[in-house]
Amino acid sequence: QSVLTQPPSVSAAPGQKVTISCSGSSSNIGNNYVSWYQQLPGTAPKLLIYENNKRPSGIPDRFTGSKSGTSATLGITGLQTGDEADYYCGSWAGSLTTYVFGTGTKVTVL
Amino acid sequence: QVQLQESGPGLVKPSETLFLTCTVSGGSISNKYWSWIRQPPGKGLDWIGYIYFSGSTNYNPSLKSRATISVDASRNQFSLRLSSVTAADTAVYYCARSSSWYLNLDSWGQGTPVTVSS
Repeated sequence: QSVLTQPPSVSAAPGQKVTISCSGSSSNIGNNYVSWYQQLPGTAPKLLIYENNKRPSGIPDRFTGSKSGTSATLGITGLQTGDEADYYCGSWAGSLTTYVFGTGTKVTVL
Repeated sequence: QVQLQESGPGLVKPSETLFLTCTVSGGSISNKYWSWIRQPPGKGLDWIGYIYFSGSTNYNPSLKSRATISVDASRNQFSLRLSSVTAADTAVYYCARSSSWYLNLDSWGQGTPVTVSS
């Protein structure tokens, strides 16, 4: 059972915006960087956001990350059908004893 | 562009040892952190551990010392050994690369399914 809690699902119409929360504590998100990963159906995860709010080369600016205190948020604007996927946050936990992923959020484009 | 490819048996018997290898191509294994992550059917991601190219390691305590990760820099490979497997170890196993200790996992293998069954 993950210590990083995400909503099971979010949905919106094409072109709209969704936000996904990742709630943790001072022993994980509160004192460590957060990354976000996108997992399209049947594929390996892909890094979307690192160091809380940075995008790797090739990731469109429709994807944004932020962190405040013990929570992090992934935002997706201009939603597209190709964004339908599972999204996971990730961070170190417990004084760097283990890396943890969030519970995962399924994004559905209506 | 770096590519990672997992290899190993798709079926392992209970109580036996699972051994997987990740081959890195298009880039050096040096100066990077190399992780194993798994995903049970229909569930989320579970980090197993990482190895730095120099050999230092860090493991998920939940595996209770069953996991061992090793590196062979001469072959640009790193490996996972998971002992005393049970049905709970059935999962897709991914290898991944990070450029930093805080694990921004920027390159992943395609994953290899492993079933534990007699």
